[in-house]
Amino acid sequence: SQQGEEDPQALSIQEGENATMNCSYKTSINNLQWYRQNSGRGLVHLILIRSNEREKHSGRLRVTLDTSKKSSSLLITASRAADTASYFCATDALRSNDYKLSFGAGTTVTVRA
Amino acid sequence: GAVVSQHPSWVICKSGTSVKIECRSLDFQATTMFWYRQFPKQSLMLMATSNEGSKATYEQGVEKDKFLINHASLTLSTLTVTSAHPEDSSFYICSAREEMYRVAQQETQYFGPGTRLLVL
Repeated sequence: SQQGEEDPQALSIQEGENATMNCSYKTSINNLQWYRQNSGRGLVHLILIRSNEREKHSGRLRVTLDTSKKSSSLLITASRAADTASYFCATDALRSNDYKLSFGAGTTVTVRA
Repeated sequence: GAVVSQHPSWVICKSGTSVKIECRSLDFQATTMFWYRQFPKQSLMLMATSNEGSKATYEQGVEKDKFLINHASLTLSTLTVTSAHPEDSSFYICSAREEMYRVAQQETQYFGPGTRLLVL
């Protein structure tokens, strides 16, 4: 079952602006991951943050994790048209004796040139 | 980086036929592969976990007799949609996890490009 809930569902911004999206989850996790999916394509792994980490950076991406609030945020700075895609958070947690990913509903980001 | 391939990338079939989708890890050994389904504008839903050499574990609500999974080697898992119907039309995505992933602290799953199935 889906564990992550994301907001907003959709986001439209101007090139150069920052994009922020949030993810909330319900149970204890091992780590949280963010993925990007271009329309009709496969998933691209962006960043992984472990449950004992609070913030992580990768290029123009910044991810935060607040395990007390069971939430995470993804910030894309200085957005580009190529950042137009759907972004999913996925929580890695123990289920049925194995670690599995549960995906959020996703945020569709449109970056206008 | 680790690469996962899927074949075919898209398939159109008649209702009642069976379709097989292959998922291969190209440059690493995957003891565990996962199969997801994604409907248009929706998220990925885990269908089943495929472990090499053993029976797949299906998520609640997924019919094991309809979605047959075989993981015969450390680099290949197959999903067969049996007696496909229009409601099975979807985007099927596999992912693979490296052996000893926890020891290597490499929890990232590597995703295939997906297979689009259209059942007429």
